[in-house]
Amino acid sequence: KAGVTQTPRYLIKTRGQQVTLSCSPISGHRSVSWYQQTPGQGLQFLFEYFSETQRNKGNFPGRFSGRQFSNSRSEMNVSTLELGDSALYLCASSLDGTAMNTEAFFGQGTRLTVV
Amino acid sequence: GIQVEQSPPDLILQEGANSTLRCNFSDSVNNLQWFHQNPWGQLINLFYIPSGTKQNGRLSATTVATERYSLLYISSSQTTDSGVYFCAVEGWTGANNLFFGTGTRLTVIP
Repeated sequence: KAGVTQTPRYLIKTRGQQVTLSCSPISGHRSVSWYQQTPGQGLQFLFEYFSETQRNKGNFPGRFSGRQFSNSRSEMNVSTLELGDSALYLCASSLDGTAMNTEAFFGQGTRLTVV
Repeated sequence: GIQVEQSPPDLILQEGANSTLRCNFSDSVNNLQWFHQNPWGQLINLFYIPSGTKQNGRLSATTVATERYSLLYISSSQTTDSGVYFCAVEGWTGANNLFFGTGTRLTVIP
């Protein structure tokens, strides 16, 4: 079956703009999480959605937001882009996020460059 | 959040050698996964191993949850094993929130 699909793969944006990234989880998976990877901070958790509700949020400013649709696809949005937002954004899906079903599978990522 | 430490940070091996990567974590965990990040950035699942031992070909992993550490063994290393290996853990929050270590960068030379 198809894996986690993230689009687009690459993006170049200008400071001040906003951007929307998309993630389609593995079929049947209902939990979607987002992570930011930078050379300085490593891999950091942004937020997690399950059944269209944000269940958990990392320590990022309000410029970072997300949502999940009824088909479990998720989008994340970054407004008023800053140079420091340049990063690899990774999406992970898992079956339902309960204690017994938390193995996460990652997409290929979206590499965002802010100039 | 849970602190995750990986060692060593860098490892250079001759092809055919064996290696052990270590992951220490600061609290009890519900989930522990090992990943290999490929050159294009994707995290490839190696093991889902909150406790016990698993083997997959030349790779094996052991997690001792009571002592809060996990080990990843790579035997007969190949150049294609090069890359960054991450350990990630999840607490008992009920939500899918992984805390990652800083990784071990493995370079296998022919």
